[in-house]
Amino acid sequence: DTGVSQDPRHKITKRGQNVTFRCDPISEHNRLYWYRQTLGQGPEFLTYFQNEAQLEKSRLLSDRFSAERPKGSFSTLEIQRTEQGDSAMYLCASSSPGWAGRNTIYFGEGSWLTVV
Amino acid sequence: AQSVTQLGSHVSVSEGALVLLRCNYSSSVPPYLFWYVQYPNQGLQLLLKYTTGATLVKGINGFEAEFKKSETSFHLTKPSAHMSDAAEYFCAVSDQNNMLTFGGGTRLMVKP
Repeated sequence: DTGVSQDPRHKITKRGQNVTFRCDPISEHNRLYWYRQTLGQGPEFLTYFQNEAQLEKSRLLSDRFSAERPKGSFSTLEIQRTEQGDSAMYLCASSSPGWAGRNTIYFGEGSWLTVV
Repeated sequence: AQSVTQLGSHVSVSEGALVLLRCNYSSSVPPYLFWYVQYPNQGLQLLLKYTTGATLVKGINGFEAEFKKSETSFHLTKPSAHMSDAAEYFCAVSDQNNMLTFGGGTRLMVKP
């Protein structure tokens, strides 16, 4: 068990460019989450998958954001036409099915995005 | 809707002193409560969680937290701070769908 893996760890991009982040969850975890964390703030929920189905999306996830989990394993988060306000750390997490009380949500180390 | 309030964005203690980080929550359903720790440039690590049963929960690294329903609180404590405890601490509440709602975090500084 290697934990939740995220790639790249750091990305600097120019405003207007597209970026994509990848998340590999803990094997056999069927739930996968994306959170965003800005400096000095707690993580904010973006979206959540159970297997390949995207079950919930936050209002924070504008039309420029899209997340996929095509085979129910790894997931990608793409941001199109990046803006400076997108600069943040994007955290991926995974868990087994069931309630949070029983199944711990494990976080990756995050992908830092800086839009210049 | 659920929410979490962490009083004090920065807390400074001396090494060996008591650590107390405050967390109050709001939830329309019986909550699951969590404390996570985040070291610089890293993700979040679970310290402890409350689900049901005993209201005093023990976690890793000597931390513990007590669920007080009447006060809607879940404060984190450690009897004696260590330099390695310096980090950002987040309190979170979850509904039954596993969605975590985090507080704004408290940065713990430990002075030698």
